[in-house]
Amino acid sequence: DAGVIQSPRHEVTEMGQEVTLRCKPISGHDYLFWYRQTMMRGLELLIYFNNNVPIDDSGMPEDRFSAKMPNASFSTLKIQPSEPRDSAVYFCASTPPRGIRGKNEQFFGPGTRLTVL
Amino acid sequence: AQKITQTQPGMFVQEKEAVTLDCTYDTSDQSYGLFWYKQPSSGEMIFLIYQGSYDEQNATEGRYSLNFQKARKSANLVISASQLGDSAMYFCAMRDLSNDYKLSFGAGTTVTVRA
Repeated sequence: DAGVIQSPRHEVTEMGQEVTLRCKPISGHDYLFWYRQTMMRGLELLIYFNNNVPIDDSGMPEDRFSAKMPNASFSTLKIQPSEPRDSAVYFCASTPPRGIRGKNEQFFGPGTRLTVL
Repeated sequence: AQKITQTQPGMFVQEKEAVTLDCTYDTSDQSYGLFWYKQPSSGEMIFLIYQGSYDEQNATEGRYSLNFQKARKSANLVISASQLGDSAMYFCAMRDLSNDYKLSFGAGTTVTVRA
C-alpha cells in the first residue's frame, strides 16, 4: 500500500512567490494534518481536517497560509506571498478512524523541504 | 494545554547496549495516548510505539518498550540491543483521546549509536 504522498519533495523559491504544497493521504484515512518542522520551533501543527472539513487551523501562522481539502484524496497548503522565515520542512500526515484503545498513529509523508530565498 | 518535555537533547550509546529516552508530560486529561516516533537523517517520521493511559501493561514492539509511569507522568522509551540504524531523532507525543486528534510533540532527543 502506498503511504502518504507529498509533492514536491524539495521547493526553492524567491521571497514573494506563491508556493503550493500537495498531499495525498492514505486511502480510508479520514483525518489529515499539516505540520511544519524547524530547528527553532520543532514540530508545529498548522491545521487538520476531518472528512475534508477543517477542524482546527489555530496553528496557521498568518493569513499568508491557507489550506484546502477538496476531496478525501487530496489536500494543499498554500503560502502567498512566501517569506524567508517560511523555510522549513512541511509534513502531511493522515490517520484512520479511531482504533483499538484509542490508538490512531499518524502516518507521515516524506515531507517537503521548502527554501525561500 | 498539553505539554511534552524531553530533557535530553542528545545521547550516545554503544552498539548492542540499551538506551532510555526520557519523556514527561503534563495534562489534566484522564484519557490520553502516548506515542513515540523516530526521525532518521533522511527526514521521514516513523511511528514506533503507542501507550494508552488506561493500559495496564507497558507497551512493547520488538526492541522498543515503553516504561509508562502514570503517577509520575512519564513515558520513557527503551531501545534494547541498539543498532547503528537506530541513530536518529526520537520524538515523544501525546494526544487527548476524549475529543481531539491533535498530537503534541516534544522537542526530540538525538541518539547516536557508536560501533
